[in-house]
Amino acid sequence: KNEVEQSPQNLTAQEGEFITINCSYSVGISALHWLQQHPGGGIVSLFMLSSGKKKHGRLIATINIQEKHSSLHITASHPRDSAVYICAATRSGSNYQLIWGAGTKLIIKP
Amino acid sequence: NAGVTQTPKFQVLKTGQSMTLQCAQDMNHNSMYWYRQDPGMGLRLIYYSASEGTTDKGEVPNGYNVSRLNKREFSLRLESAAPSQTSVYFCASSVLSGLNTEAFFGQGTRLTVV
Repeated sequence: KNEVEQSPQNLTAQEGEFITINCSYSVGISALHWLQQHPGGGIVSLFMLSSGKKKHGRLIATINIQEKHSSLHITASHPRDSAVYICAATRSGSNYQLIWGAGTKLIIKP
Repeated sequence: NAGVTQTPKFQVLKTGQSMTLQCAQDMNHNSMYWYRQDPGMGLRLIYYSASEGTTDKGEVPNGYNVSRLNKREFSLRLESAAPSQTSVYFCASSVLSGLNTEAFFGQGTRLTVV
């Protein structure tokens, strides 16, 4: 079992829908990152969380430390949100290594 | 403010050739990292530099060397390229020492070894 699990693996939705991507982890972590990668493109950091909730524009990220779970939400989704979303965790006591989720491929249809 | 800049963006090498991938950040970050991304495997850490003057091995360091030339620059060298090193390489940086702060990534270098 992977230490960081993402679901769903693939998600297709219509423009305007509310999107949720989930990330669960089974090890102690000190931070959790959400990143975005467009096809053939670079990687962009969306959020870094250690507790609570963060919001940036239409994106919201939450983390529940007790349940070892994080979610990324996209409100009013748009075709330009189509990308791979990756969850990665900084392992406690190993500040330079990230444990990567497998990614969620999101397609938003117009 | 360019962020993290990698060069080149694309490269084709013959087996046995050497090359250096360059990375520079203009955000005054302490820590820098080199990753490779292979299909179905996510990103794997090759080497990292916690701060200027230090470098450490990551998960997959074999076949690579690095130099933290100064605070801005962190280069990755392939001394004798092998087809198994065909991959997309990403450089990243973080403002504090370690990944308990946000990481910033370059656009990637797509390397093919034939």
